[in-house]
Amino acid sequence: DVKVTQSSRYLVKRTGEKVFLECVQDMDHENMFWYRQDPGLGLRLIYFSYDVKMKEKGDIPEGYSVSREKKERFSLILESASTNQTSMYLCASSTTGTLYEQYFGPGTRLTVT
Amino acid sequence: AQKVTQAQTEISVVEKEDVTLDCVYETRDTTYYLFWYKQPPSGELVFLIRRNSFDEQNEISGRYSWNFQKSTSSFNFTITASQVVDSAVYFCALRSYSGNTPLVFGKGTRLSVIA
Repeated sequence: DVKVTQSSRYLVKRTGEKVFLECVQDMDHENMFWYRQDPGLGLRLIYFSYDVKMKEKGDIPEGYSVSREKKERFSLILESASTNQTSMYLCASSTTGTLYEQYFGPGTRLTVT
Repeated sequence: AQKVTQAQTEISVVEKEDVTLDCVYETRDTTYYLFWYKQPPSGELVFLIRRNSFDEQNEISGRYSWNFQKSTSSFNFTITASQVVDSAVYFCALRSYSGNTPLVFGKGTRLSVIA
């Protein structure tokens, strides 16, 4: 089974802190994604990566950055956390090709106070 | 631009009732894929089905069935004889056939099945 793990299920940080959300997949997938999920807004894509050291902006990249130094790991970075970044963050991975579906991790619920 | 609309924000049904979740999509692509995901209270999205645009055959899997109609750009999901364990948020999604484009998700429909 594909396994996508996220470093924390729940996280509480203070405004202005630098926050790292880690995602690891164990299926040698080329593609990895970060979404945030908010009530009434569904899933919105923040960043995605097709390969190591490559990244593409999604729909809402402002206030975030990402890092992919190894194929299995994709990190989401909040350089200076703000209260409007309080949300559920979901990581996903997929293989390359036309038939892929995305496999999701359990999510990290981040609260910024 | 691609867009997925799930007009039903929340649905509540009594156990054993049938329920249909609507999904309408917009795309300029002639070939594309459609997906349904389930997000139970635990939070992890679970893949349910993928359907490509050149296969309009409806699909049935146990109590679940999917009705794909290209003419109306709809990909509706029906649960027959609903159960409490079906309570979840359901997402419809779309992606282009070509390239490594990400999925475009609808806003989801929260289904509550009451015993």
